[in-house]
Amino acid sequence: EIVMTQSPATLSVSPGERATLSCRASQSVSSNLAWYQQKPGQAPRLLIYGASTRATGIPARFSGSGSGTEFTLTISSLQSEDFAVYYCQQYNNWPPVGFTFGPGTKVDIK
Amino acid sequence: QVQLVQSGSELKKPGASVKVSCKASGYTFTSYAMNWVRQAPGQGLEWMGWINTNTGNPTYAQGFTGRFVFSLDTSVSTAYLQISSLKAEDTAVYYCAREGFGELRSPWGQGTLVTVSS
Repeated sequence: EIVMTQSPATLSVSPGERATLSCRASQSVSSNLAWYQQKPGQAPRLLIYGASTRATGIPARFSGSGSGTEFTLTISSLQSEDFAVYYCQQYNNWPPVGFTFGPGTKVDIK
Repeated sequence: QVQLVQSGSELKKPGASVKVSCKASGYTFTSYAMNWVRQAPGQGLEWMGWINTNTGNPTYAQGFTGRFVFSLDTSVSTAYLQISSLKAEDTAVYYCAREGFGELRSPWGQGTLVTVSS
């Protein structure tokens, strides 16, 4: 099973600042990596897939990069609505036999 | 617009069974696989597996074999998750999500809270 790790566990950022979140896979997942945002009491929302493609309706301040085992989600200028938990997910095997999520990074207000 | 509407919260006793539904609308149900994701209280997301909406063939993640069953009723565009022999550790929110080519597309279902308590 591919294990996903995320760092940091919590990121404290001021509104308007840049946030950089990291995700690492225990083995190469190529570009088969997605990022999700989850706010309290809500279902997760797809932000990025294919490591760097924004999903429909996602603002341009969200960007993804990386391939292989190292990935980054960048939020260029944090807005109040961006304070949430962010998860990465690998889907290297498709049809799926073993998708896995990272443990999440909580972005909170500094 | 695409919608996945799940059934309401459930309170069950240990050993009982529960069936969660996920009704899809706004797209062709059989064009996308349906995945299930669990989130225990205060915890992260855990992929449970998926069901092929064309063939009805399910695939279960490690840790979700035996007591967990995915099924479909394509006539009403609905996917189901049934959990038997419920345990306290099954207490969680369960989400359904339509899959693209690995990514779980928005919107997900709103989630169904299953609470197992005596």
